[in-house]
Amino acid sequence: DPKIIQKPKYLVAVTGSEKILICEQYLGHNAMYWYRQSAKKPLEFMFSYSYQKLMDNQTASSRFQPQSSKKNHLDLQITALKPDDSATYFCASSQDAGGAYEQYFGPGTRLTVL
Amino acid sequence: GNSVTQMQGQVTLSEEEFLFINCTYSTTGYPTLFWYVQYPGEGPQLLLKVTTANNKGSSRGFEATYDKGTTSFHLQKASVQESDSAVYYCVLGDQESNYNVLYFGSGTKLTVEP
Repeated sequence: DPKIIQKPKYLVAVTGSEKILICEQYLGHNAMYWYRQSAKKPLEFMFSYSYQKLMDNQTASSRFQPQSSKKNHLDLQITALKPDDSATYFCASSQDAGGAYEQYFGPGTRLTVL
Repeated sequence: GNSVTQMQGQVTLSEEEFLFINCTYSTTGYPTLFWYVQYPGEGPQLLLKVTTANNKGSSRGFEATYDKGTTSFHLQKASVQESDSAVYYCVLGDQESNYNVLYFGSGTKLTVEP
């Protein structure tokens, strides 16, 4: 059974709209993360959360907002979508934050903004 | 700032050949370095981790050691198999974020021909 679930697998949106990317992990981990992989750039760190609290944020735009309703959920809300937001978004988790714990990645959500 | 450079975008080998992938890194802190591997349609997964300079990390026949003097972290394997075909990422853990933030290189796509 998949341990990190990301929904949907594929997502198409129009410029200016808003979407929510879902991430759930069933590994019993306390820390969760979001990364983005676009065609032109390497995998980029976006956010890290520990026990549902924001730890690190390297996303310049406030259009990206993580939402954690439970310890094993970390959704990503993206508002005012732009074509440059087109990328595959990966959720990850680790046992705890800090200490270079192994980060386990989900299968990703591929977002296309038209 | 923190960065990782992988100059080899693609490597093609025949089965049982020797693999060597270059990576250099830049950081102001004390690094933890990782190699992640990504198969088509999946998220990256940890291959190995090295927390101390000149120590060797190994997994599934792959080995890596980082040299603090030359800021290099190379991945090698004595004899590759077709199943090793994947994209390999050199990854830097950021001490300032207590290693929550991972910096990915651009990846090296390995193709192993039978």
